[in-house]
Amino acid sequence: QVQLVESGGGVVQPGTSLTLSCAASGFTFNNYAIYWVRQAPGKGLDWVAVVSDDGDNKYYADSVKGRFTISRDDSKNTVHLQMNSLRRDDTAVYYCAREKSMFVLAAIPGYWGQGALVSVSS
Amino acid sequence: QSALTQPASVSGSPGQSITISCTGTNSDIGGYDLVSWYQQHPGKAPQLLIYEVTKRPSEVSNRFSGSKSGNTASLTISGLRPEDDSNYYCSSYAGRFTLVFGGGTRLTVL
Repeated sequence: QVQLVESGGGVVQPGTSLTLSCAASGFTFNNYAIYWVRQAPGKGLDWVAVVSDDGDNKYYADSVKGRFTISRDDSKNTVHLQMNSLRRDDTAVYYCAREKSMFVLAAIPGYWGQGALVSVSS
Repeated sequence: QSALTQPASVSGSPGQSITISCTGTNSDIGGYDLVSWYQQHPGKAPQLLIYEVTKRPSEVSNRFSGSKSGNTASLTISGLRPEDDSNYYCSSYAGRFTLVFGGGTRLTVL
């Protein structure tokens, strides 16, 4: 079955960096786009970034553009989210999610991991 | 990238039907048939209920249905059950690859 497991969360100070990882299994990894979506405590869902199945296309929300970088390593079935210049308002649970269908970027995160908590605090 | 507008809360009794609205603009909901709905229980990951406005994953109950008119999408849950008590989010493609979510709706099954 489809499984996505996030790791790398933690407590960091404002202005520092952190990298999240999303390990995937149960499907042909390089056939699918992967998303990062975050949820601040008690708040709604907020799209962060997406990388296409072939890795050629990467898109970011305006709030993280220039600070966050998404990448994929198909040899390890893993997607990374490098987060630089972290701010207090980046505090959230970060979910990775797989596109519902193969070979498309259709804005449909269909399968979600359980999330990793990132807390930015001094 | 403004969020879509959902009612903060709705409620219904077991067996009843309820509808949750999700209002956007011509640049998101009105411009594309790429509206999705998610259910999220507290402390859990979201689960896809509806995609491409009306389609339902095979594992999702047919009590859940979606529709769209103009810039407003709707999720209807028929035959409410206690386990439907949860949070619901809509999302839409918004062009130039951006994805926007609604603020979420808390459904209480009385």
